[in-house]
Amino acid sequence: GAGVSQSPRYKVAKRGQDVALRCDPISGHVSLFWYQQALGQGPEFLTYFQNEAQLDKSGLPSDRFFAERPEGSVSTLKIQRTQQEDSAVYLCASSPDRYNEQFFGPGTRLTVL
Amino acid sequence: KQEVTQIPAALSVPEGENLVLNCSFTDSAIYNLQWFRQDPGKGLTSLLLIQSSQREQTSGRLNASLDKSSGRSTLYIAASQPGDSATYLCAVYTGANSKLTFGKGITLSVRP
Repeated sequence: GAGVSQSPRYKVAKRGQDVALRCDPISGHVSLFWYQQALGQGPEFLTYFQNEAQLDKSGLPSDRFFAERPEGSVSTLKIQRTQQEDSAVYLCASSPDRYNEQFFGPGTRLTVL
Repeated sequence: KQEVTQIPAALSVPEGENLVLNCSFTDSAIYNLQWFRQDPGKGLTSLLLIQSSQREQTSGRLNASLDKSSGRSTLYIAASQPGDSATYLCAVYTGANSKLTFGKGITLSVRP
């Protein structure tokens, strides 16, 4: 079956531009997570959705970061006025429920120039 | 605050060797622990999930153990192959919040 997909796989943005990163979770998975992975580091949690409800956004680094999952399936992570420190790989994961195994997508590598 | 440590950061072994990758965590009140593999430029592939009530899980040549009270997990790889070369990350889920907390990973190189 299809796994988690993310698009685009690579994104180059000029500083100050807005970007939108898309995640298509495994069909039927209730829980969806976003993580940020800097080079040489483990992923760091950004935010969590249960269906369409954003239950935890404690990891979002600033108010320039915004995530939504309006119909409880596809999710979009938006970064406004990108800065160089936003350069990282953004990973999406889904799970049947939050206590279960998380399945990750291939990630979007964002480079801010 | 939960912290996950994986030491060493890198490991190089000859093909065929059995090896153990270590993971330690500071808060033993975990719900589960997951081991992942990450190839360069790729996402994470889940290898094994151990629930807090379990002591170990096995999948093929991989065996993961969990000692919750001491805050440790090990990933055992039997008869290593060059195709096992990758970064291995462990992550713990406490359940009190919504996130997996990851270690920095161990980059494994298996030499032919």
